Amino acid sequence: KAGVTQTPRYLIKTRGQQVTLSCSPISGHRSVSWYQQTPGQGLQFLFEYFSETQRNKGNFPGRFSGRQFSNSRSEMNVSTLELGDSALYLCASSWDGHTEAFFGQGTRLTVV
Amino acid sequence: GEDVEQSLFLSVREGDSSVINCTYTDSSSTYLYWYKQEPGAGLQLLTYIFSNMDMKQDQRLTVLLNKKDKHLSLRIADTQTGDSAIYFCAETHINSGYALNFGKGTSLLVTP
Repeated sequence: KAGVTQTPRYLIKTRGQQVTLSCSPISGHRSVSWYQQTPGQGLQFLFEYFSETQRNKGNFPGRFSGRQFSNSRSEMNVSTLELGDSALYLCASSWDGHTEAFFGQGTRLTVV
Repeated sequence: GEDVEQSLFLSVREGDSSVINCTYTDSSSTYLYWYKQEPGAGLQLLTYIFSNMDMKQDQRLTVLLNKKDKHLSLRIADTQTGDSAIYFCAETHINSGYALNFGKGTSLLVTP
């Protein structure tokens, strides 16, 4: 059974640009959550999608957005990139969003 | 959000047992998790425990939960050099929509 797949693995972007990250959950899982990991702030929750609906959102500015498709694949978008957005972005999939969450390898975003 | 605290560093000798500790403040925590992160990788789910349980054992891993003291521990028996990684404690509860609330992680170093 394939795990959670995130693409791309690495990205370098310039301040002011926007970026889209992709996450394919484990087959059958309907919940996808996104987390940002930085050395200073640790792991922080961005948002969670279940059956194409955002159910929960963390404390991040509106520049961070996401969506989920009918096949449960999810994308997150960050607009007007800032240097502080440099981080490892992790996606987690879960059957129902309440129990075991399995993480992908992450996308390492560097903003220069 | 509520705090999840972990000690930052632990060093053990190969073959010894490791005990990683975690405290949390939210009494409504529903599930408590242990994740492992190796350099450059995502998070690997090791085990989790429901809040009405006291203990869970899975091969070399033993999780103990003291709900009264809001204390969670992970014991790794016969620790190997391959266990060297960062270990994250996390909790979820219905009030936060089951978003994972992580500690800062404990860096485990296993020496030969």
